[in-house]
Amino acid sequence: QVQLQQSGPQLVRPGASVKMSCKASGYSFTSYWMHWVKQRPGQGLEWIGMIDPSDNETTLNQRFKDKATLTVDKSSSTAYMQLSSPTSEDSAVYYCARKTDYWGQGTTLTVSS
Amino acid sequence: DIVLTQSPGSLAVSLGQRATISCRASESVESYGNSFMHWYQQKPGQPPKLLIYRASNLESGIPARFSGSGSRTDFTLTINPVEADDAATYYCQQSNEDPYTFGGGTKLEIK
Repeated sequence: QVQLQQSGPQLVRPGASVKMSCKASGYSFTSYWMHWVKQRPGQGLEWIGMIDPSDNETTLNQRFKDKATLTVDKSSSTAYMQLSSPTSEDSAVYYCARKTDYWGQGTTLTVSS
Repeated sequence: DIVLTQSPGSLAVSLGQRATISCRASESVESYGNSFMHWYQQKPGQPPKLLIYRASNLESGIPARFSGSGSRTDFTLTINPVEADDAATYYCQQSNEDPYTFGGGTKLEIK
């Protein structure tokens, strides 16, 4: 069955780079774009961007163009998202999602000094 | 960016009755004869779950009590009849044009 296993919660200092992962299984990793979505506590969903694992083509929401970097490792069927210079505004749950249908459980990021 | 406006922001529906949630897009989300509007259910502490894709297609495993309709800029999610387990927040999302925006959400309470 399709599964997206995301890395565990992270507590980081403001300004320290953070990278989270999303390991896919149960399907052909290179056949579906991988999406990333942000959800701040008690708030709605915000689409960050997507990456095509077959050729690394990336489409980013312009709001995140200086914040998020999406990459993949085809050998391990894992997608990554790196957030640069995090601030308290980046404290949120981050989800990876295969297109629209399967979602990871989310990675909680807390940015605090 | 395409703005999705959901209404109402919250609603309370009696068990066994009908719930209707609206999603209006600031511009058409239709391309090549398909409406790229999707509906999700989210419960606290859980990721969103896909209910309806491309406006009216029921995702596998989702009860037929859920249905979607609409085209171009106006879409509706209907739950009929509502059950206690349907208490959740519902979101629409368009994937016709990036960025793939979400509506603000509708919180459903079951009376």
